[in-house]
Amino acid sequence: GNSVTQMEGPVTLSEEAFLTINCTYTATGYPSLFWYVQYPGEGLQLLLKATKADDKGSNKGFEATYRKETTSFHLEKGSVQVSDSAVYFCALSDNWGKLIFGQGTELSVKP
Amino acid sequence: GAVVSQHPSRVICKSGTSVKIECRSLDFQATTMFWYRQFPKQSLMLMATSNEGSKATYEQGVEKDKFLINHASLTLSTLTVTSAHPEDSSFYICSASGDSNQPQHFGDGTRLSIL
Repeated sequence: GNSVTQMEGPVTLSEEAFLTINCTYTATGYPSLFWYVQYPGEGLQLLLKATKADDKGSNKGFEATYRKETTSFHLEKGSVQVSDSAVYFCALSDNWGKLIFGQGTELSVKP
Repeated sequence: GAVVSQHPSRVICKSGTSVKIECRSLDFQATTMFWYRQFPKQSLMLMATSNEGSKATYEQGVEKDKFLINHASLTLSTLTVTSAHPEDSSFYICSASGDSNQPQHFGDGTRLSIL
């Protein structure tokens, strides 16, 4: 079946450090891929998405590229801020629009 | 755009009480709404998928008589936790989508605490 695997957290970085959160997936067909962010006590916000191979999603300085050959969708940001501290979820969408989430990666950015 | 409102944000009630949670799409018509449950420091677990005007489809292991879902209009779905017990305490999150090709937009969640 379809599944998503993320790197385990927590990830702790200093402000302005480079961020990578790894995400790999297993899926039949050609799913859409997403990164969602969850701030404490809140629901999820869509951060970025990619719908086909080699697409790059980007938003607020975050980027992720849909790599079909490595079944990956790693999240990157060149310079993190304290305000980026949150839990990040990688997800794929199956043919019926259902989202399958990874386990989430907690990011903590220190000043 | 694409705002989903979930209400209430927090509920504390006694064991045996039934609790209703509302999920509204404020600026779009939600053909499909999803209900998730999230335990502390864990991922979201899909409970059920509801399409407007039809019965909800529950995921394996989710008791449909315990978690009643109604999707009576294109902008409103409700989840009722019937005869809630302490083990039902959790963070419940809804999401809504215009169609299967559109991303899901999430509400801010409801923290349910059963005493």
